[in-house]
Amino acid sequence: GQQLNQSPQSMFIQEGEDVSMNCTSSSIFNTWLWYKQEPGEGPVLLIALYKAGELTSNGRLTAQFGITRKDSFLNISASIPSDVGIYFCAGYPPGGSQGNLIFGKGTKLSVKP
Amino acid sequence: DAGVTQSPTHLIKTRGQQVTLRCSPKSGHDTVSWYQQALGQGPQFIFQYYEEEERQRGNFPDRFSGHQFPNYSSELNVNALLLGDSALYLCASSNRGSNQPQHFGDGTRLSIL
Repeated sequence: GQQLNQSPQSMFIQEGEDVSMNCTSSSIFNTWLWYKQEPGEGPVLLIALYKAGELTSNGRLTAQFGITRKDSFLNISASIPSDVGIYFCAGYPPGGSQGNLIFGKGTKLSVKP
Repeated sequence: DAGVTQSPTHLIKTRGQQVTLRCSPKSGHDTVSWYQQALGQGPQFIFQYYEEEERQRGNFPDRFSGHQFPNYSSELNVNALLLGDSALYLCASSNRGSNQPQHFGDGTRLSIL
């Protein structure tokens, strides 16, 4: 089945540093979504991307829908301790699958004050 | 504006038992999807309901069934529980339509002894 590969699996950074993570697929996707999940909570939607090449920001977060439609990137600028969590990419593959969000395995972010 | 709410938050069952989990969608949403999230993994799609019918289904056995009520709330039922059913069960709601972003509840943590 379709899979999303996220990298890196985990990151340990210093407060104030910028963060980059990405998500790739062997097949094209129509929509890319980025979620953040903290312990004991459900995933929270951060950014939604709908068109190839689209670049969207949400505060210190910026995400891009890759031109090939097979990848997406999330950047966090000037990280702070509350950025800690697991970041998931998710997408809808083409073919009418309106409900079946495919998720990556996540990137675990740790921020040292 | 109430988000997605799920109950109960935690549940402990033994093998062979059955369980019912409940979900109320975000205000204004008419579509509910259920996901299973094993430890260290991304959520896996179980099925989606709108207009009180199952519209899509992931790769889960018939032991997993659901229901949607006229007020758009939903239930997930799992019969003949197995140890491997231990996971976080997440409910997500959205508006019906292609590639709509899904908003998640905080999940029900199900433990099978």
